[in-house]
Amino acid sequence: DVKVTQSSRYLVKRTGEKVFLECVQDMDHENMFWYRQDPGLGLRLIYFSYDVKMKEKGDIPEGYSVSREKKERFSLILESASTNQTSMYLCASSLWGAPSGRRDTQYFGPGTRLTVL
Amino acid sequence: DQQVKQNSPSLSVQEGRISILNCDYTNSMFDYFLWYKKYPAEGPTFLISISSIKDKNEDGRFTVFLNKSAKHLSLHIVPSQPGDSAVYFCAASEGETSGSRLTFGEGTQLTVNP
Repeated sequence: DVKVTQSSRYLVKRTGEKVFLECVQDMDHENMFWYRQDPGLGLRLIYFSYDVKMKEKGDIPEGYSVSREKKERFSLILESASTNQTSMYLCASSLWGAPSGRRDTQYFGPGTRLTVL
Repeated sequence: DQQVKQNSPSLSVQEGRISILNCDYTNSMFDYFLWYKKYPAEGPTFLISISSIKDKNEDGRFTVFLNKSAKHLSLHIVPSQPGDSAVYFCAASEGETSGSRLTFGEGTQLTVNP
């Protein structure tokens, strides 16, 4: 079974703080993704990565950066947290070259509920 | 620009009846579609998918239908069970590249009443 873990389930930070969200997957997946989930907006892609040291902007990258130094780990960084970054953050991973019928299936971690005060 | 839309934020059905969740998309390049289920305080879990070369895919109580001309897909759950109560997300991807990015809808909260 694929396991995607996130460093914290709940996090409370102050405006202006630098925040690190960590994600680790144990299935040797090439692709990793960071989303945020907000009511009425669904899941929106922040950043993704197809390989170590590689990153691509998603739909809402402003205010965020990422780091992928090792294949299994993908970090999301909020350089200076703001109240509008209060959200549920979800990490996912997927396999490059998945077998037919399972293409693009992403496996998600449990999420980190971040509150910025 | 919402390329994948789930117009019903919520749906309530009786146990044993059919649940039908709908999803519309605008990008004609989408060729693979997935449904995810999400319980509170958990990450989404994959439920079922369909390729654009098919119009139906069935897995137990879950069936996904795709109408390419209408750019519409639906998820049928028969019979519905209380444990199916969750938020359901429709997602789509384009291109042959495996592991490519997904575009998600807003989600529909399904409540199955005993």
